[in-house]
Amino acid sequence: AQTVTQSQPEMSVQEAETVTLSCTYDTSESDYYLFWYKQPPSRQMILVIRQEAYKQQNATENRFSVNFQKAAKSFSLKISDSQLGDAAMYFCAYRSPFFGNEKLTFGTGTRLTIIP
Amino acid sequence: DAMVIQNPRYQVTQFGKPVTLSCSQTLNHNVMYWYQQKSSQAPKLLFHYYDKDFNNEADTPDNFQSRRPNTSFCFLDIRSPGLGDAAMYLCATSRDRVAHRDEQFFGPGTRLTVL
Repeated sequence: AQTVTQSQPEMSVQEAETVTLSCTYDTSESDYYLFWYKQPPSRQMILVIRQEAYKQQNATENRFSVNFQKAAKSFSLKISDSQLGDAAMYFCAYRSPFFGNEKLTFGTGTRLTIIP
Repeated sequence: DAMVIQNPRYQVTQFGKPVTLSCSQTLNHNVMYWYQQKSSQAPKLLFHYYDKDFNNEADTPDNFQSRRPNTSFCFLDIRSPGLGDAAMYLCATSRDRVAHRDEQFFGPGTRLTVL
């Protein structure tokens, strides 16, 4: 079974600065999908960024980028130019490519606080 | 806007009193999921439907049941809630079962309190 570990329960960053959230995972599969989801207080979880394991290039979405290290099984999220609206719980998630195993396996989350 | 809607947002029930949580979607997605998220923990999948095909996770207690009467609606029934069932319940959808890169779209959740 796959596991996802987020070792930082809480992080804080000054507005406009850069912060990196860590995520490691364990799997025996060679192909899979990784996601970062954001869950703002009292609002629904939304996708921030996704990465296909077969792609070597790190995914980027505006101010959000990942550092995907397949051999190290590491998938960190970098948020540049942090904004107040980035304050949320961030979950790293893993998804198998195999039919019948479609579930997302989540880490325990990192609560990000933005300091004005 | 297309979305995933959960009702109610907050639900209080008594120990042992059956409760039903509701989820609806306007995305016309084939797959609907129910997750349980306890305080400071990761969301945990309870079960999912691919169209009308029900898929239960092996460790989901029998106390939890689900119904999907049509594409748009899915219900979570807790037959005899215990104190340990107090949690946020998240409904999610995805377009198709085999499109693994596809994101899941989440509702805002229903927070269940058991007295």
